Amino acid sequence: QVHLVESGGGVVQPGRSLRLSCAASGFTFSSFGMHWVRQAPGKGLEWVAVISYDGSNKYYADSVKGRFTISRDISKNTLYLQMNSLRAEDTALYYCAKDYLLWSFGWGEDIWGQGTMVTVSS
Amino acid sequence: QSALTQPPSASGSPGQSVTISCTGTSSDVGGYNYVSWYQQHPGKAPKLMIYEVSKRPSGVPDRFSGSKSGNTASLTVSGLQAEDEADYYCSSFAGSNACVFGTGTKVTVL
Repeated sequence: QVHLVESGGGVVQPGRSLRLSCAASGFTFSSFGMHWVRQAPGKGLEWVAVISYDGSNKYYADSVKGRFTISRDISKNTLYLQMNSLRAEDTALYYCAKDYLLWSFGWGEDIWGQGTMVTVSS
Repeated sequence: QSALTQPPSASGSPGQSVTISCTGTSSDVGGYNYVSWYQQHPGKAPKLMIYEVSKRPSGVPDRFSGSKSGNTASLTVSGLQAEDEADYYCSSFAGSNACVFGTGTKVTVL
C-alpha cells in the first residue's frame, strides 16, 4: 500500500522556523520526484516546491524562494521542508505528494498524504 | 506564477455532462502538455484524475476526460454521478521549473 504521512506542523510565531517531514512507503522513493503543495484554510491549492528523485534538483514557488528548503533522505524514505522566516500568509495545510513520472518531473502528483497543518500566529 | 483561471462553480443533473475550463497563457497551459486535473472532496486530499492533458491514471473512470486548445484546458465529466460532487483543480507546468494551480471549481450535482 502506497502511503505518505506528513508530520511536524503546529503553531509558530511569525519569523520563526519549522521543519515538516513526510514518511513514504509502498513505492521506490528513490525513483520519483516529490512535491510540497499547500492549501490555506478555505482556499485553493498552491504548489510550493519540488525535488528530483536523487535530490540534485530543487525548485520553488516565488512566494517561498529563499525562505523554504526542500530536501530528502533516501536512506530514511523521508521528504522534508525546512521553513524559515515564517509569515502569517504561510498558514496552510501542507501536503507532500509524489510525482507520477519515473526519474523525471511530470509536474503532476499521483499520491498525496493527508497533510499537516501549519499556523503562523503571534 | 499567477493562478490559472477556472470558473468558481459548475453544475449538472445526474447523467448529464459538465465541462470545466482552465485558462492560462502561452507560458503555461499553452506552452506545455503537462496539464493535470485533481478532484478534492471536503476534508480530503486531492486525487489525480488527468495528467498530460488527457491521460487517465489507472482506476479513474473513463467518464473523466481532458483536452486542450490554445491556452485553455478543459475537463469533462460525462454521466454525472452524485460522488462527482467535489472541488476540481487544474495545474500546469509554468516554465522556469515551476508549477501553477488553477483557482478551483466547485461542481454540484443537482
